[in-house]
Amino acid sequence: GAGVSQTPSNKVTEKGKYVELRCDPISGHTALYWYRQSLGQGPEFLIYFQGTGAADDSGLPNDRFFAVRPEGSVSTLKIQRTERGDSAVYLCASSLGRTEYSGELFFGEGSRLTVL
Amino acid sequence: AQKITQTQPGMFVQEKEAVTLDCTYDTSDQSYGLFWYKQPSSGEMIFLIYQGSYDEQNATEGRYSLNFQKARKSANLVISASQLGDSAMYFCAMREGYNTDKLIFGTGTRLQVFP
Repeated sequence: GAGVSQTPSNKVTEKGKYVELRCDPISGHTALYWYRQSLGQGPEFLIYFQGTGAADDSGLPNDRFFAVRPEGSVSTLKIQRTERGDSAVYLCASSLGRTEYSGELFFGEGSRLTVL
Repeated sequence: AQKITQTQPGMFVQEKEAVTLDCTYDTSDQSYGLFWYKQPSSGEMIFLIYQGSYDEQNATEGRYSLNFQKARKSANLVISASQLGDSAMYFCAMREGYNTDKLIFGTGTRLQVFP
């Protein structure tokens, strides 16, 4: 596709359930990022992939959060035992990887997660 | 310590006027990049403008310009000739170093343009 695609766009779940959020980056982009945006806040970094490997997972809040990118393209963010505080919009972004220019990130429209 | 500070939670501007959105940053790196993104109500983050720490000229992109004052660690966004479609959240962000494109975002400024 032309842009970063995220599914589902909306997910409502119950506390304690397991959730998967998917991100399909722009074709050819080697770098992929996950951010979390709570209401009224800026995006908060979670994890960054360069190719298949997680280059920086320092933003993952705890071990309930995990992300994979097995073939270096599509990525899945997995949240176990969801809590009400996990409710947020989860944004995915991709980029060409290190460039000499801006290294602009291209964002998807996000997956809105609501934990009841 | 907060890396990116946006002190204006909300700003109003009349159509066709110019507006400045403030951003200050904190880093000990010599090499860094500063970005502005727009987030309309649809939720998508739209890249507006970039300034590298070694760039001597202020960045400009159409109606957007970045007032970069390195000594003061500020990177204010100037929007000239505001349009109703400029109403959105605006986020300042920073990339530290050249080993990653990871961005750290501020809390944003909500801009409302009125006729």
